[in-house]
Amino acid sequence: QQQVKQSPQSLIVQKGGISIINCAYENTAFDYFPWYQQFPGKGPALLIAIRPDVSEKKEGRFTISFNKSAKQFSLHIMDSQPGDSATYFCAASMGTYKYIFGTGTRLKVLA
Amino acid sequence: SAVISQKPSRDICQRGTSLTIQCQVDSQVTMMFWYRQQPGQSLTLIATANQGSEATYESGFVIDKFPISRPNLTFSTLTVSNMSPEDSSIYLCSVDKGTGGDTQYFGPGTRLTVL
Repeated sequence: QQQVKQSPQSLIVQKGGISIINCAYENTAFDYFPWYQQFPGKGPALLIAIRPDVSEKKEGRFTISFNKSAKQFSLHIMDSQPGDSATYFCAASMGTYKYIFGTGTRLKVLA
Repeated sequence: SAVISQKPSRDICQRGTSLTIQCQVDSQVTMMFWYRQQPGQSLTLIATANQGSEATYESGFVIDKFPISRPNLTFSTLTVSNMSPEDSSIYLCSVDKGTGGDTQYFGPGTRLTVL
């Protein structure tokens, strides 16, 4: 029940397209769901985060959609750019500061 | 947010030796965390370090192998002891600093290669 399942493992999108990464969890006690972006040789950088009391959160081109009943949440990157090419991790925590990370999605945006 | 630095940024070490990794934050934080990220893999929490108390280790990680110090609210060290090639990984520190207290910010990582 502590796992966070992330898909796809890798994703190739054309410039200007929409990138969609999905995560699913089992533990209904999770109450915080952040997304991180990691470039090669760098530490993960917080991108956007959501709590289960809202179904969607948007920041610029990045949107989290949250489906509490299905225990799923997803990251949408609108108008994807080559500079968005990175590895994306979803995570979940339950107020104890302990993050459970997904397995990561390697995104490549073609110019 | 928080500005986090780690030293060294990378190192190549011999089997059986130990390496101490430093993590410095630009402001005081309550909790610091140490993660391991094996090449191309996800992040795994090693331990949580609070100032003034012993670190709390996750399953599969022990203090003898990964001793941690937290002498003040802006600094922590992680030592990787008696290293073997299986310890080759990226080691990351993170801190909690955000509204609601749940947000973690990560340092740039230390890339360790053990020969």
